[in-house]
Amino acid sequence: AQSVAQPEDQVNVAEGNPLTVKCTYSVSGNPYLFWYVQYPNRGLQFLLKYITGDNLVKGSYGFEAEFNKSQTSFHLKKPSALVSDSALYFCALRNSGNTPLVFGKGTRLSVIA
Amino acid sequence: DTAVSQTPKYLVTQMGNDKSIKCEQNLGHDTMYWYKQDSKKFLKIMFSYNNKELIINETVPNRFSPKSPDKAHLNLHINSLELGDSAVYFCASSRPGSSGAEAFFGQGTRLTVV
Repeated sequence: AQSVAQPEDQVNVAEGNPLTVKCTYSVSGNPYLFWYVQYPNRGLQFLLKYITGDNLVKGSYGFEAEFNKSQTSFHLKKPSALVSDSALYFCALRNSGNTPLVFGKGTRLSVIA
Repeated sequence: DTAVSQTPKYLVTQMGNDKSIKCEQNLGHDTMYWYKQDSKKFLKIMFSYNNKELIINETVPNRFSPKSPDKAHLNLHINSLELGDSAVYFCASSRPGSSGAEAFFGQGTRLTVV
């Protein structure tokens, strides 16, 4: 069975500081990993994904994520946080074909001015 | 142009009623999904359709019946609504046959059963 864990319910960071939102996964076979962001009363917006190749993936709005196979992690990062980054972030996993994405429980990011 | 659109955005109804939520995507995708987001923001897959055929039906009560009239549409009909059905329902689509394809989500339908 595949699963995604986001160990932090809430992450607080000061504007201008680097941010990290953690994600670990469990899957048999090769993982395909995704990050989404949800703003209040909005749908999920795709940020970035890891399929294969370079472990550091760059995405929208200055976000990046690092795939670490040995630690089964895919942490989301940004060098300098903005207040507008405050939102709910979801890590997701798919391991094959047309199977639906499996989501973590989400991490609420709060960037304080 | 909205890629995945759902209607209505908000739906308030009484227990026991029957309601439908419509979803349309203009991305040319063959695979569509319905997800439920509960009050704790957990996202859980309900149904998955590929080319109008049901692929996955998670443990969802049979009061929930998806219908796909064509590849671009996946509607969700709910019979005999219960208080516990209150949630935000998201429609999504993705390219078929590609494990690395991201899913595109609609803006959600907030269902409130009173």
